[in-house]
Amino acid sequence: AQSVTQLDSQVPVFEEAPVELRCNYSSSVSVYLFWYVQYPNQGLQLLLKYLSGSTLVESINGFEAEFNKSQTSFHLRKPSVHISDTAEYFCAVSLNSGYSTLTFGKGTMLLVSP
Amino acid sequence: DADVTQTPRNRITKTGKRIMLECSQTKGHDRMYWYRQDPGLGLRLIYYSFDVKDINKGEISDGYSVSRQAQAKFSLSLESAIPNQTALYFCATSDLGYEQFFGPGTRLTVL
Repeated sequence: AQSVTQLDSQVPVFEEAPVELRCNYSSSVSVYLFWYVQYPNQGLQLLLKYLSGSTLVESINGFEAEFNKSQTSFHLRKPSVHISDTAEYFCAVSLNSGYSTLTFGKGTMLLVSP
Repeated sequence: DADVTQTPRNRITKTGKRIMLECSQTKGHDRMYWYRQDPGLGLRLIYYSFDVKDINKGEISDGYSVSRQAQAKFSLSLESAIPNQTALYFCATSDLGYEQFFGPGTRLTVL
């Protein structure tokens, strides 16, 4: 079975600073990887995903994540955060199979202050 | 209109009561899921259904049951609610099991 570890439960950062949210996974077979974002009092939205191809994937709002197979990681980065990026971020993994489900990490709360 | 809707959005109930949470989707997806979210624990899968005739237990199915009434509807029941079932419940849908689309959530409190 696959598992996901998000090493930081909370990451405080100042506006316009860079940020990295860490995600490591465990699986004996190939996986697909996802980052979801949950804004206050809302459901989860997909931020970006890695299925195949380029190991660097980007979102429309400036986030990027890099799939590193040797380190089994999928860290999320943004070079300059905004107040509006304050949210909880979840890393998730599924097996490279059409009949797999998602396994979520415990989440990282990104707190951006002025 | 939202693609994935959940009713009710908030519910307060008492220990021992039967509760049903409902989920409807207009995305035309075959696959539907129920999760619960607890602070510090992330999302945990309760039940999932890959099509109308398919029901599978997830990581934490004890104390819950589901019904897939149609492609668009997937209900979660708590037969006899207990306080540690107080949580935020999410329904989600997907097509090939990759990207999942989430509803707005139901906040359930069991007193």
